[in-house]
Amino acid sequence: DVKVTQSSRYLVKRTGEKVFLECVQDMDHENMFWYRQDPGLGLRLIYFSYDVKMKEKGDIPEGYSVSREKKERFSLILESASTNQTSMYLCASSSTMTALKYGYTFGSGTRLTVV
Amino acid sequence: AQSVTQLDSQVPVFEEAPVELRCNYSSSVSVYLFWYVQYPNQGLQLLLKYLSGSTLVKGINGFEAEFNKSQTSFHLRKPSVHISDTAEYFCAVRAFGGSQGNLIFGKGTKLSVKP
Repeated sequence: DVKVTQSSRYLVKRTGEKVFLECVQDMDHENMFWYRQDPGLGLRLIYFSYDVKMKEKGDIPEGYSVSREKKERFSLILESASTNQTSMYLCASSSTMTALKYGYTFGSGTRLTVV
Repeated sequence: AQSVTQLDSQVPVFEEAPVELRCNYSSSVSVYLFWYVQYPNQGLQLLLKYLSGSTLVKGINGFEAEFNKSQTSFHLRKPSVHISDTAEYFCAVRAFGGSQGNLIFGKGTKLSVKP
């Protein structure tokens, strides 16, 4: 089974801190995604990457950046955390060839609280 | 651009009753359609998909969905639900030829199955 592993299940950070959320997948997928999930708003795409060192902005990139130095790892960075970034963050990956057949594989999420 | 509307944010139902979770989409081009399920404290997983062909598609755990192009709908159904079906369900759409980053999710429907 493809596994997408998010390094932390829960995080509490202070306003203004630089926060790193890490995601690793073990199936050599080309594509990786960071979503934010909020009650009543569903999933909103922050950034995605279709190759190493490549990235594209999603619907809500403001206040975030990403890094993909290796194919298996995709990091989400909050440059200066704010309380409105308190949310559940979901990482996902997919293969370009099989995304339609198998869909995206999601991690279990990181619940970030900014105080 | 595509959009997805899930008409019910919450659906309570008794065990062994039938259920329908409604999804409508908007798109100027042909689309692929998906339903994902998120069990408590987990990431999303693919439940079923419509890519082409038969408009009635079957997924895991006894769920099925019907693609209706004229009504731009893709409603999810199960004839008899179990307690274990309690979860949040997300409808998603992607345009033909769209990039990996163009999977648009609805806001989700929380299904609560009561004994």
